[in-house]
Amino acid sequence: DSGVTQTPKHLITATGQRVTLRCSPRSGDLSVYWYQQSLDQGLQFLIHYYNGEERAKGNILERFSAQQFPDLHSELNLSSLELGDSALYFCASSAPGRGAGELFFGEGSRLTVL
Amino acid sequence: DQQVKQNSPSLSVQEGRISILNCDYTNSMFDYFLWYKKYPAEGPTFLISISSIKDKNEDGRFTVFLNKSAKHLSLHIVPSQPGDSAVYFCAASERGGADGLTFGKGTHLIIQP
Repeated sequence: DSGVTQTPKHLITATGQRVTLRCSPRSGDLSVYWYQQSLDQGLQFLIHYYNGEERAKGNILERFSAQQFPDLHSELNLSSLELGDSALYFCASSAPGRGAGELFFGEGSRLTVL
Repeated sequence: DQQVKQNSPSLSVQEGRISILNCDYTNSMFDYFLWYKKYPAEGPTFLISISSIKDKNEDGRFTVFLNKSAKHLSLHIVPSQPGDSAVYFCAASERGGADGLTFGKGTHLIIQP
């Protein structure tokens, strides 16, 4: 158990819909990262938040947005969903002072768009 | 354009032997490299890392080697154990930070009894 909690674990929805994925980082971790893993692909970095502020953006579509709340949990919002958005979405957190890049991942949220 | 490549989708090794997983990268700005291990239905877990100022880092049965001139790194597992069966992801970052780790597609390691 990494200590990072993601909900929901599975989600099935239709094209054009909007969903919200939720992540609670490990206690004490200020950073939250979102990654997308599509079929046969590596993990693609989407966005990084640190203590409520956006720190870095990766290949995140304009239809996607994220935020980190004062209690440090984060939400990833996916709108106008397309079939190609079907993927595993991982959230990860990192500890202050921990070696750079050493992330603790949640179990992921599997999104299926029909 | 894949900046981190793991060219072997799968690798089968006998228990007790050495497992060698390979990774190539194209971005010369990468200065920190990591390996993550992933079991089915779980998130990736950090395994071992190496900074570009080193060419080797060892942690128990796991050793990572970095060849900067060849832009190549490898993970050695000795001896291989059944619990090592998992997908291994190579990852890299610029400026030693976690802003945007770039991952390879992974290698599925299967340890045969």
